[in-house]
Amino acid sequence: AQSVAQPEDQVNVAEGNPLTVKCTYSVSGNPYLFWYVQYPNRGLQFLLKYITGDNLVKGSYGFEAEFNKSQTSFHLKKPSALVSDSALYFCAVRVMDTGRRALTFGSGTRLQVQP
Amino acid sequence: DGGITQSPKYLFRKEGQNVTLSCEQNLNHDAMYWYRQDPGQGLRLIYYSQIVNDFQKGDIAEGYSVSREKKESFPLTVTSAQKNPTAFYLCASSDRTGGLDTQYFGPGTRLTVL
Repeated sequence: AQSVAQPEDQVNVAEGNPLTVKCTYSVSGNPYLFWYVQYPNRGLQFLLKYITGDNLVKGSYGFEAEFNKSQTSFHLKKPSALVSDSALYFCAVRVMDTGRRALTFGSGTRLQVQP
Repeated sequence: DGGITQSPKYLFRKEGQNVTLSCEQNLNHDAMYWYRQDPGQGLRLIYYSQIVNDFQKGDIAEGYSVSREKKESFPLTVTSAQKNPTAFYLCASSDRTGGLDTQYFGPGTRLTVL
């Protein structure tokens, strides 16, 4: 079975400071990894994904994530946080080469950026 | 939210009543999904369909039913057998073109049991 853990329910950061939202995963096989963002009462918006290749993935709105196979992690990062980045962030995983294309999601991390 | 629409935005259900949530996509995606979101639990998969006239149960399918008669439509029925249906329901679709298979989500339907 595959699973995703987001160990922090909430992350607080000051505007202009770097931010990190943590994600670890557990799968049998090679993973596809995703980050999504959700604003209040809205659907999820795709930020970035890792399939294969370069371990540093760049995505929308200045976000990036680093895939670390040995630590089974896929942390989301941004060099300089904006107040508008405040939202709920979800990490998700799917195993390559399986019939099931649905994603397994973490429980989410609420990012609060203070002005 | 791309080319995926969900209706209604808010839905209220009485005890013992079946309700149907609509999901339509104009992205020509072959696969569609239904997830349920509860506070602090992330998203959980209810049903998914990878092709027209075929669908599979997800992790929490009990008390729900779906159909996939058209490529662009994947309605979800919440039956009276679902004991705790109050939640935010999200529909998604994906396409394997280029091997990308990224899921895109609709705006969601919030269901409340009265």
